[in-house]
Amino acid sequence: SAVISQKPSRDICQRGTSLTIQCQVDSQVTMMFWYRQQPGQSLTLIATANQGSEATYESGFVIDKFPISRPNLTFSTLTVSNMSPEDSSIYLCSVALGSSGRILGETQYFGPGTRLLVL
Amino acid sequence: AQSVTQPDIHITVSEGASLELRCNYSYGATPYLFWYVQSPGQGLQLLLKYFSGDTLVQGIKGFEAEFKRSQSSFNLRKPSVHWSDAAEYFCAVAPADKLIFGTGTRLQVFP
Repeated sequence: SAVISQKPSRDICQRGTSLTIQCQVDSQVTMMFWYRQQPGQSLTLIATANQGSEATYESGFVIDKFPISRPNLTFSTLTVSNMSPEDSSIYLCSVALGSSGRILGETQYFGPGTRLLVL
Repeated sequence: AQSVTQPDIHITVSEGASLELRCNYSYGATPYLFWYVQSPGQGLQLLLKYFSGDTLVQGIKGFEAEFKRSQSSFNLRKPSVHWSDAAEYFCAVAPADKLIFGTGTRLQVFP
């Protein structure tokens, strides 16, 4: 398994501002993912962040709103830009262990999440 | 399109009672299947997973799940629920290069 930490654990932000969330893993991983969990709802994949390449965004998510960095194999950041109250969610970082480079068949492990409230 | 359905939004059981949480998926072939648990204020923890082989899968914390291809189901079971099992449970499938989550089932346990 993998131990994943996220900073901050929670934050309250004003609309129009930006917040950068950090994700740190205790081992080197190829595949990292960012999810959003809106209040009372399930998890939705925002993007896949593989080291050495640009993040791949899911439908409905764009780089200008959710820029992602992946500088090395143990770290990633997600920025929530120009926030509005609709961005209030839990943001979770996840990693897939394995070297195949494909999620199929790999188990994902999740960080504790960052709880964001936008006023 | 692939999808995951968890028909029960909220389930309440008494401590010591048996539990079954339902999960149905829609996919043309057999996907990889997972159950995760999310305790209040915590991230997701993997309970168990099915890739192939024996259709009855054992997981952590005394949970098990059974894959039934004919019913496209992957129901989670536990013979005797503990108060600490109160949490949100998510079924997920990985038909390709992403995880697709169900909407979750919130489990409440009464003493």
